[in-house]
Amino acid sequence: EAEVAQSPRYKITEKSQAVAFWCDPISGHATLYWYRQILGQGPELLVQFQDESVVDDSQLPKDRFSAERLKGVDSTLKIQPAELGDSAMYLCASSFNPGRSPLHFGNGTRLTVT
Amino acid sequence: GQQLNQSPQSMFIQEGEDVSMNCTSSSIFNTWLWYKQDPGEGPVLLIALYKAGELTSNGRLTAQFGITRKDSFLNISASIPSDVGIYFCAGQSLMDSNYQLIWGAGTKLIIKP
Repeated sequence: EAEVAQSPRYKITEKSQAVAFWCDPISGHATLYWYRQILGQGPELLVQFQDESVVDDSQLPKDRFSAERLKGVDSTLKIQPAELGDSAMYLCASSFNPGRSPLHFGNGTRLTVT
Repeated sequence: GQQLNQSPQSMFIQEGEDVSMNCTSSSIFNTWLWYKQDPGEGPVLLIALYKAGELTSNGRLTAQFGITRKDSFLNISASIPSDVGIYFCAGQSLMDSNYQLIWGAGTKLIIKP
C-alpha cells in the first residue's frame, strides 16, 4: 500500500539553528498538509497545499517557519531559527480529494531542540 | 469555533473486553475519521465515514456516523494487546472550503496486565 514518506525520522538540533523536514505524499494526492503534534495532544495544522499553492497557512509562525511545494509533489518545511518550544512531532499528510477521501499520514519527524 | 469532545480520555481494560469511545461536536460534520496512533508513529486511518447513519466495520473495529451528524462512536470487540495506543476522532465540514480536520483530544487505551 502506498505511503507518505517523511525524513528524517528524528532530528536533534540546538536552538537558533536551522532545520528542515521533507515529505513525499502518496502519488496522485494533490493536497498536502504539515501538522505539528505536541506529546499527548491531537495534531495541529500548520500549512495546507493544493498542488503547489498554499491554501491555508494561518497557523504557521511565519517569522520562523516556511513551507514550499515547488513542483506540487514533495514538500519541505523549514524552521529558522529553531526555539526550544519547537520540540514536537512534525507530521505530513496527503489526500486525494479533501472532504471526499481521508488524510493519510507519514510516520513523522521527531524534533528535539536543545 | 467548532469543537470536538472525545471521551473517555483514557481506558484501562482487560484483554478480551469490548471497548467503546465516542466523539461529539458542537456543529454538523460531513465526514468522521477515526485514527490510531502508536508511540513515535504517525496516525493510521482506521475507518472513514461519509454518510449520516453509516455503520462501517474494519475487522474487530466498528464505527458509526451519528444520525444528527454531530457525533460518532468507535467500538473495538475482544481487545488484544496490540490495540493499545491513542485513538483520535476527526471531523470535516463541507462548510469549510478547505475541509479542515477538527480533532478530538484522543482516547488512550491501556490493557491491564
